[in-house]
Amino acid sequence: GQQLNQSPQSMFIQEGEDVSMNCTSSSIFNTWLWYKQDPGEGPVLLIALYKAGELTSNGRLTAQFGITRKDSFLNISASIPSDVGIYFCAGRSGNTPLVFGKGTRLSVIA
Amino acid sequence: GAVVSQHPSWVICKSGTSVKIECRSLDFQATTMFWYRQFPKQSLMLMATSNEGSKATYEQGVEKDKFLINHASLTLSTLTVTSAHPEDSSFYICSKHTGSSVIQYFGAGTRLSVL
Repeated sequence: GQQLNQSPQSMFIQEGEDVSMNCTSSSIFNTWLWYKQDPGEGPVLLIALYKAGELTSNGRLTAQFGITRKDSFLNISASIPSDVGIYFCAGRSGNTPLVFGKGTRLSVIA
Repeated sequence: GAVVSQHPSWVICKSGTSVKIECRSLDFQATTMFWYRQFPKQSLMLMATSNEGSKATYEQGVEKDKFLINHASLTLSTLTVTSAHPEDSSFYICSKHTGSSVIQYFGAGTRLSVL
């Protein structure tokens, strides 16, 4: 099925550093969602974006819905060890099911 | 709190047996639920959309006779992997919308290992 282009695929960072990841799509979405998945668990919603240009924060996390509606980014500030996991972007257009990116695997070195 | 309960979390079975996975909506009734499969280090791939009271809609390439979906009530959808084989070993996750929101919430997943 259709997938989003999510980058980077993996990141190794020092504790305290900021992190940025993004997703792009060839088609327009009207909803962007960011999820985090821990090993052996289902994805957990981090941030939901509904409007082009929208910038939303959730604690140390900030995400933006791109103006073109074809991209979104997620930033994590001052990373901590529990930020380790796989981050997925997901987009939706109309009533279609969510389309997922391939994930960004984040490793935090204490 | 969790809005989707998935059971079991882990199942090991012999090749040729069938396995049933349950997905329950804990808050609002869910007329639509989704079933995903995730292989190691890969993304979630939609298998089918489960519709209460009607047949499920399967994605291209997913065998409907292999992966039986039943959504007989507004709070329960089940996925049965029939005659499981080692290649069916994977992480299966269900999902639902909540209320009128477009957001999807996910169960904790079921790890299936077929010996």
